[in-house]
Amino acid sequence: EAQVTQNPRYLITVTGKKLTVTCSQNMNHEYMSWYRQDPGLGLRQIYYSMNVEVTDKGDVPEGYKVSRKEKRNFPLILESPSPNQTSLYFCASSWDFGVAEAFFGQGTRLTVV
Amino acid sequence: DQQVKQNSPSLSVQEGRISILNCDYTNSMFDYFLWYKKYPAEGPTFLISISSIKDKNEDGRFTVFLNKSAKHLSLHIVPSQPGDSAVYFCAASARVFGTDKLIFGTGTRLQVFP
Repeated sequence: EAQVTQNPRYLITVTGKKLTVTCSQNMNHEYMSWYRQDPGLGLRQIYYSMNVEVTDKGDVPEGYKVSRKEKRNFPLILESPSPNQTSLYFCASSWDFGVAEAFFGQGTRLTVV
Repeated sequence: DQQVKQNSPSLSVQEGRISILNCDYTNSMFDYFLWYKKYPAEGPTFLISISSIKDKNEDGRFTVFLNKSAKHLSLHIVPSQPGDSAVYFCAASARVFGTDKLIFGTGTRLQVFP
């Protein structure tokens, strides 16, 4: 079954404690992205990757890092989380960017206290 | 600056009637548009898309219309069904100066009642 898997689904953490949200896809897609969803703001792109070792900033990259060492994995790293990073996060993958349907993970609800 | 706007946060439609969801964009560089549907506690799922070289695309009960001169697209659902109740996001994409941009709107919550 084609899928994008994110972990964890829910996470509560404290300010400043480094965390990683994992994302894995089994469709051999080249493109992967991270989004955050906030009330009234829709989905905003954090980072994206066009292939292994190729990443670029989206619209709201501040406070986040990503890596793409393998095609299937695209982890999102928060080195020093802050309360304004409390949000619902989605990972997505697609065979092409912007013109092909993206497959989304089920989301990670992060709360930073 | 919201480049993709969905000005109606919510829409309520009776089952069997037509649902029309609207989306406006400001950047003329956008050349591909997509609609996604999202149920609670799930990730968005792709619904339908349209290239800027077309003005209409149909897939079953779903039709997307694009009016480039007005920078406006709409999603028509006919007939609407209770299972269509979800949040709908429009998205627009462009490749600008080697950078891929995919911008989502804020979403419209559709409720289809019996």
